[in-house]
Amino acid sequence: DQQVKQNSPSLSVQEGRISILNCDYTNSMFDYFLWYKKYPAEGPTFLISISSIKDKNEDGRFTVFLNKSAKHLSLHIVPSQPGDSAVYFCAASVPNSGYALNFGKGTSLLVTP
Amino acid sequence: DAGVIQSPRHEVTEMGQEVTLRCKPISGHDYLFWYRQTMMRGLELLIYFNNNVPIDDSGMPEDRFSAKMPNASFSTLKIQPSEPRDSAVYFCASSFTTGTDYGYTFGSGTRLTVV
Repeated sequence: DQQVKQNSPSLSVQEGRISILNCDYTNSMFDYFLWYKKYPAEGPTFLISISSIKDKNEDGRFTVFLNKSAKHLSLHIVPSQPGDSAVYFCAASVPNSGYALNFGKGTSLLVTP
Repeated sequence: DAGVIQSPRHEVTEMGQEVTLRCKPISGHDYLFWYRQTMMRGLELLIYFNNNVPIDDSGMPEDRFSAKMPNASFSTLKIQPSEPRDSAVYFCASSFTTGTDYGYTFGSGTRLTVV
């Protein structure tokens, strides 16, 4: 049962514009959320995270927003660059789970020049 | 640090054969995770260890799958016998308990094809 859902398998954005990747979750016990980025033939790499006590976390061009009432989070990339083209995974964990993460299926982002 | 090292990078085997995937976590990391990625199910947690002890293996799909961590620097995931539906990319990841974001470090994965 998929507790973390990324309903858009793919997204195409022009260079310089904003990319918005969405993620929904069903488990209200999740208290920590992360985004990972994955290039072909490589493992996912950690991008940014947010605790459930916050509603926003920013790191350079990347911002994650959390709406707990809607059980929704989003990753904003501004401005988008061609090097951002990758698969982005949303992940979440529950307290005392030993850092085990539930991942979404990923969204493939293509940033075109 | 060389990161999380997985071997082999690619494995092609015949149905019924035993397959062993290997992982060397980052030195000092006390958690080790095995994930499997498929198109249908995305990234699924198979099993994870803390200080070499298996904590949760509820994600292991069948008894054909087994994992061990004999010491802090090595883990194996074994499939015996292998089946075509086991074809996937298998990732190993490690993390450190008190990391501020406890983001994992993933290996580059092993692409398994069972024919």
